[in-house]
This record gives sequence, C-alpha cells and structure tokens, in this order.
Amino acid sequence: KNEVEQSPQNLTAQEGEFITINCSYSVGISALHWLQQHPGGGIVSLFMLSSGKKKHGRLIATINIQEKHSSLHITASHPRDSAVYICAVKGRGGATNKLIFGTGTLLAVQP
Amino acid sequence: NAGVTQTPKFQVLKTGQSMTLQCAQDMNHNSMYWYRQDPGMGLRLIYYSASEGTTDKGEVPNGYNVSRLNKREFSLRLESAAPSQTSVYFCASSELWTSAEQYFGPGTRLTVT
Repeated sequence: KNEVEQSPQNLTAQEGEFITINCSYSVGISALHWLQQHPGGGIVSLFMLSSGKKKHGRLIATINIQEKHSSLHITASHPRDSAVYICAVKGRGGATNKLIFGTGTLLAVQP
Repeated sequence: NAGVTQTPKFQVLKTGQSMTLQCAQDMNHNSMYWYRQDPGMGLRLIYYSASEGTTDKGEVPNGYNVSRLNKREFSLRLESAAPSQTSVYFCASSELWTSAEQYFGPGTRLTVT
C-alpha cells in the first residue's frame, strides 16, 4: 500500500463545477504539499500546509492531521484548471525527512 | 529570477550511451534533488544534496551518479543508459533540508531506445 493515496485518479468535470480531490497518508508528517502539473509542463507548488485551511483565489486546501487526510477544492472550475494535481507529504526528520508523493489526480474540465 | 532551470528539455539516447542532465537554481537554496516521474507512479527521489559538498542516495539511485558542482548546480549523470531509464526527470531545490517546500524545474523528457 502506498504511503500517500489520492482519489480519484481521474476526474472529469463541467466548467463551473465544484471539485474536490482527496489525499490520505499513513505516515507522520511535518507538512503537506499540493502541486499542479499541466500536460507536458513543469510542477508548480499550490499550497503547503501543516494544519487547518488555506485559500488562494478559487483554490482551497484543508488538512485534518488526526485523520491523516487533506482535500483540495476548486470552486467555479475552468478549463484552464485541467492538470494533474499531486499531493506530497514531508515526513518528520531523519530518514523520513523527504517528500513522499501520491500518484496524482488527472483533472479535465470541459467547457 | 529564473528559479530552477534544467537542460536539456528533451533527449533521445541509444542504449549504452551516456549523458549528463544539468540543473541550476538562483534562489540561494542549500538543498537540491533529482526525481524521476513515470506513468502511474509518484515522483521518486533518485539522489539529493542536503547541502553543498554532500550527496546521498534516494529511493532509486541505481544507474545514476550526481555531482553538486557548487551551491547553484546539481547534475545527474547516466553512465550507460538503459530503456528502463526512459522517464521525465525533475530537478528541485529547497532552502534547507528541513524545508517542506520544494521548487521544481521544468523537467527533462528522456527516451532511451
């Protein structure tokens, strides 16, 4: 079993829909990262969080440390949001002080 | 600031050929990383350099070598390329080894035939 699991793996939405992508992890972490990768493109950091909730424009990220779960929400989705969204967690110190990545959620927003 | 840059963007190699992937960052970061990305798998760490002068193996180091040339530059070398090394390679950097946030380069798409 992967230490970081994302769901769904693939998601198709209509423009304007509210989208939720989930991330569950099984290790103790110091922080969680949401990343965005456009097709054929580089990887961009969206959020880094260790507790609570962060908002940037139409994107909202939440984390529940006790439940080892994070969600990424996109409000009023747009075709330009089509990308792979990757969850990554940073372990706590020593040998685990590295990022562990989920396999990504491929989002397609249709006009 | 350019952030993290990588060269080349694309490369095709024949089995057994060698090549070096270059990475540079202009953010004065101490730590740098090399990852590979394969379909259906999360990014996997090949090698990392926690600080200038140090390098360590990651999850999948076999077939690769690295050099931390100076604080800015971290190169990845394939001595004898194999088809299993066909992948997209990403370089990343972070301010410190303990920093959670990493900044990624644009990637190098490598095909080994």
